[in-house]
Amino acid sequence: AQSVTQPDIHITVSEGASLELRCNYSYGATPYLFWYVQSPGQGLQLLLKYFSGDTLVQGIKGFEAEFKRSQSSFNLRKPSVHWSDAAEYFCAVMSMEYGNKLVFGAGTILRVKS
Amino acid sequence: GAVVSQHPSRVICKSGTSVKIECRSLDFQATTMFWYRQFPKQSLMLMATSNEGSKATYEQGVEKDKFLINHASLTLSTLTVTSAHPEDSSFYICSAPGTANTIYFGEGSWLTVV
Repeated sequence: AQSVTQPDIHITVSEGASLELRCNYSYGATPYLFWYVQSPGQGLQLLLKYFSGDTLVQGIKGFEAEFKRSQSSFNLRKPSVHWSDAAEYFCAVMSMEYGNKLVFGAGTILRVKS
Repeated sequence: GAVVSQHPSRVICKSGTSVKIECRSLDFQATTMFWYRQFPKQSLMLMATSNEGSKATYEQGVEKDKFLINHASLTLSTLTVTSAHPEDSSFYICSAPGTANTIYFGEGSWLTVV
């Protein structure tokens, strides 16, 4: 069965420090991969997505993610975190064999300390 | 670019009443739309797949008689929460696949049942 795992429920980093949010998936084939951000009381904003090609994907707000097939991972990174990045981040996976349904990870809450 | 609009963004209803949430694709046609629900401090869970011109497909554990989905046109899907109870209070969000496997989300609807 398809599944998405975000092992870290909460992460706290200092402003200006680097960030990596982990995401692992379990699928039969290479799925399409997404990272979304949700601020408190808000909807979802797409940060970046991977379908094929270059495994290092650049997104908005200075975020990037790297697809590693051997590890079934799609970790989100940012070299220098800003206080405004505090939010909840969701990794999501979609596979054509499952009818374009997005399956979300449990989310990681990012706290930024000054 | 393509936009999915969801209405209302916030609604408060009395226990036992029904409430309808609309999801519209504004400049593209969507034969399929997806409805998700997010309880506080939890991830987004797919409730059902809305299919234009046919019955919706519900995920396991979602009551189809309680969450009525209608997809009468290529640009509109509605979710009606019937006989709402306080435990139905949640964030409901729809999505529609666009071209090139892009997923567009609505802004979400906050439902509070009192």
